Amino acid sequence: DADVTQTPRNRITKTGKRIMLECSQTKGHDRMYWYRQDPGLGLRLIYYSFDVKDINKGEISDGYSVSRQAQAKFSLSLESAIPNQTALYFCATSDSAGPSGNTIYFGEGSWLTVV
Amino acid sequence: DAKTTQPTSMDCAEGRAANLPCNHSTISGNEYVYWYRQIHSQGPQYIIHGLKNNETNEMASLIITEDRKSSTLILPHATLRDTAVYYCIVSALGSSNTGKLIFGQGTTLQVKP
Repeated sequence: DADVTQTPRNRITKTGKRIMLECSQTKGHDRMYWYRQDPGLGLRLIYYSFDVKDINKGEISDGYSVSRQAQAKFSLSLESAIPNQTALYFCATSDSAGPSGNTIYFGEGSWLTVV
Repeated sequence: DAKTTQPTSMDCAEGRAANLPCNHSTISGNEYVYWYRQIHSQGPQYIIHGLKNNETNEMASLIITEDRKSSTLILPHATLRDTAVYYCIVSALGSSNTGKLIFGQGTTLQVKP
């Protein structure tokens, strides 16, 4: 079983609809992240959370919101989806106290298409 | 975070060592060198990281030059499943780190039979 699980793995939604991507982890890490990947643009950070009470905007947070429901769960919402939010979304975790410090572990990704 | 420069693509014969170079001439003293790889739109996978000493784990070896301005990732016996995009990243540790890893374009490694 994957340590970082994302649901759904694939979703097609219509413009203007609200969509939530969920992420859960079994690694016991305190930090969680949401990235998006577009062709040719690498990964860009949307939001990150260092613990349950700590939420921070990343590079491209406009149009997105997040919720850290528990240490193991971090969800990403698109309040009103638009076509340029069509992308591959990754959840990730890291352990601030671990010996690997900044090492980030990624989920398998969620393909989102907004039509 | 310091920028990195990698070749766009490389080929390697199956069973041979794959040596992937990375230049990071502006690296700071507190920045580590990280390597990740991404296999065809799967989640990026951590491979290895180091500060100034050479490192080895079950996946690969990391050789960092003495001046720390460049490094080489070595896959000792490449297999077809090692075909992926390999990213070299430099990043500092510490509580201020935000996970803002700059992945760049990476090196596309094609392992051929």
